[in-house]
Amino acid sequence: AQSVSQHNHHVILSEAASLELGCNYSYGGTVNLFWYVQYPGQHLQLLLKYFSGDPLVKGIKGFEAEFIKSKFSFNLRKPSVQWSDTAEYFCAVWGGATNKLIFGTGTLLAVQP
Amino acid sequence: NAGVTQTPKFRVLKTGQSMTLLCAQDMNHEYMYWYRQDPGMGLRLIHYSVGEGTTAKGEVPDGYNVSRLKKQNFLLGLESAAPSQTSVYFCASSSGQRNEQFFGPGTRLTVL
Repeated sequence: AQSVSQHNHHVILSEAASLELGCNYSYGGTVNLFWYVQYPGQHLQLLLKYFSGDPLVKGIKGFEAEFIKSKFSFNLRKPSVQWSDTAEYFCAVWGGATNKLIFGTGTLLAVQP
Repeated sequence: NAGVTQTPKFRVLKTGQSMTLLCAQDMNHEYMYWYRQDPGMGLRLIHYSVGEGTTAKGEVPDGYNVSRLKKQNFLLGLESAAPSQTSVYFCASSSGQRNEQFFGPGTRLTVL
């Protein structure tokens, strides 16, 4: 079955630390890739997306992600996190036979001031 | 421009009761979706619609029904609520199947 894996379920960082959250998916072919963020008590908001072109995608709030097709990965990065980045982060992939957007299980990020 | 709105925000039901969750979007999107969010399981698709008058099953459709009588509205019904349906429900819409989905604020449902 097609799936999206987020390796880190819970990450704790200090402010100014660098962040990398992993995302891998299980199917080949054309994919559209997304990272969403959910701040405490709020709805999901789009951080960034990749459809085609430059595999290094820049999003809002200083986040970026790199699509590595050979590794079926779309990892999220930020050079220096802030306390306000405390949230849950979801990777989502559209592609393959399902014709639907499949979400990973999420990574809860806590940034300590 | 309100985007995607959901009513109600919170609801507590007893086992066996029924209820309807309403989702409305003002972006003229063709596609609408209902998800449930449970701890450690991410978002799972319940039902979706590719246009007015159409609905289709998602990953976890059992125990739920939906209707899309108007393009801007997508209703999720629970005919006989069960404790396993305690969850946070999110509605979303998109202009295309592969495009970004816009999410509503969610409905927190507790079934006792």
